[in-house]
Amino acid sequence: DQQVKQNSPSLSVQEGRISILNCDYTNSMFDYFLWYKKYPAEGPTFLISISSIKDKNEDGRFTVFLNKSAKHLSLHIVPSQPGDSAVYFCAASLMNRDDKIIFGKGTRLHILP
Amino acid sequence: NAGVTQTPKFQVLKTGQSMTLQCAQDMNHEYMSWYRQDPGMGLRLIHYSVGAGITDQGEVPNGYNVSRSTTEDFPLRLLSAAPSQTSVYFCASSPRQGDQPQHFGDGTRLSIL
Repeated sequence: DQQVKQNSPSLSVQEGRISILNCDYTNSMFDYFLWYKKYPAEGPTFLISISSIKDKNEDGRFTVFLNKSAKHLSLHIVPSQPGDSAVYFCAASLMNRDDKIIFGKGTRLHILP
Repeated sequence: NAGVTQTPKFQVLKTGQSMTLQCAQDMNHEYMSWYRQDPGMGLRLIHYSVGAGITDQGEVPNGYNVSRSTTEDFPLRLLSAAPSQTSVYFCASSPRQGDQPQHFGDGTRLSIL
């Protein structure tokens, strides 16, 4: 039973356009959400996070939106750049409980020239 | 600043062999963890440690042992490798338990024949 679902294995977006990556979760107890970015042969690197007391968090070109009632979050990248081509993992956890963090399967983003 | 360093980067083992995956961090982080990533799967927690001398099991601990004799090092041991342990292994650390995000190493790709 997947507690964190990224239903799109891959996504292709034209350079300069908006990339929207989606993530759904089933456990309403999750109160902290993160997005990690991963390049081939490298470890995941932290991108952006959001706690359940907020519905939006922005950092430069990256914005994460949280809809608690729908148990859904999304990552928006505007504008998309070639260096954004990577695998993006959504993760959900209980605050202060790293051992309870659950990762999604990831979405591979291709930025097309 | 090296961050989280994992060795080796690649390893091929025969069924039944043992080996130790090394992980070291130079950030004086108390919390360290091991994950495995399988094709089409998110990262799954194997073992974690909240400080020197303290370890605990994660979601998929069977077949793996850990110890934490120093703050810097958190080795992962496979006592008798099985083909099901073929995976990419990531070590991660954070200042303290609950201090998201975690910092990941670049991974060890392990194949068990």
